Amino acid sequence: AQKVTQAQTEISVVEKEDVTLDCVYETRDTTYYLFWYKQPPSGELVFLIRRNSFDEQNEISGRYSWNFQKSTSSFNFTITASQVVDSAVYFCALSEAGDKIIFGKGTRLHILP
Amino acid sequence: KAGVTQTPRYLIKTRGQQVTLSCSPISGHRSVSWYQQTPGQGLQFLFEYFSETQRNKGNFPGRFSGRQFSNSRSEMNVSTLELGDSALYLCASSLGIMGNEAFFGQGTRLTVV
Repeated sequence: AQKVTQAQTEISVVEKEDVTLDCVYETRDTTYYLFWYKQPPSGELVFLIRRNSFDEQNEISGRYSWNFQKSTSSFNFTITASQVVDSAVYFCALSEAGDKIIFGKGTRLHILP
Repeated sequence: KAGVTQTPRYLIKTRGQQVTLSCSPISGHRSVSWYQQTPGQGLQFLFEYFSETQRNKGNFPGRFSGRQFSNSRSEMNVSTLELGDSALYLCASSLGIMGNEAFFGQGTRLTVV
């Protein structure tokens, strides 16, 4: 069975600090996909990144970076030089081949000015 | 390109009533998924439709049902509403190809009183 665990329920950091959001997943499939979504107060989930199980390269997009490690079944997300606009709930998600996307419980991130 | 449109945005119903929510996916997307989001349970998968057929189903009672039309628009219906059905209902559309990211609408917030 597939499962996503985001152990950090809530995190608060001061603006300009770096912050890492943890994500651990469980799956029996060798082919799967991992995602990160952002949910601002407006409620709409915004897609951030997708990774397939065969691509362990880390990715950087501006201030965002992702560290995918199959050995530890983790897909962590780091925001560098955080900004107030980064305040939101962040969800890690997993999709086994051909199956639905399931989400972790989310991490609520507060960036304090 | 228009995003995912969900109507209505807000809804108040009384226990025992039924409700129908609507979702128009991104043009060209053939898959529509529905999720229920509550503070306690997080994002829970309801069902997915692809080309008018239900492709996946979550663990929800039969009171929750859905359908998809030939133009890919989807509706979900909840009958005999219970207080616990109060939630944000999110619709996501995707191309329907394995591993494709899903794009979400702003959701319908249902309150059952």
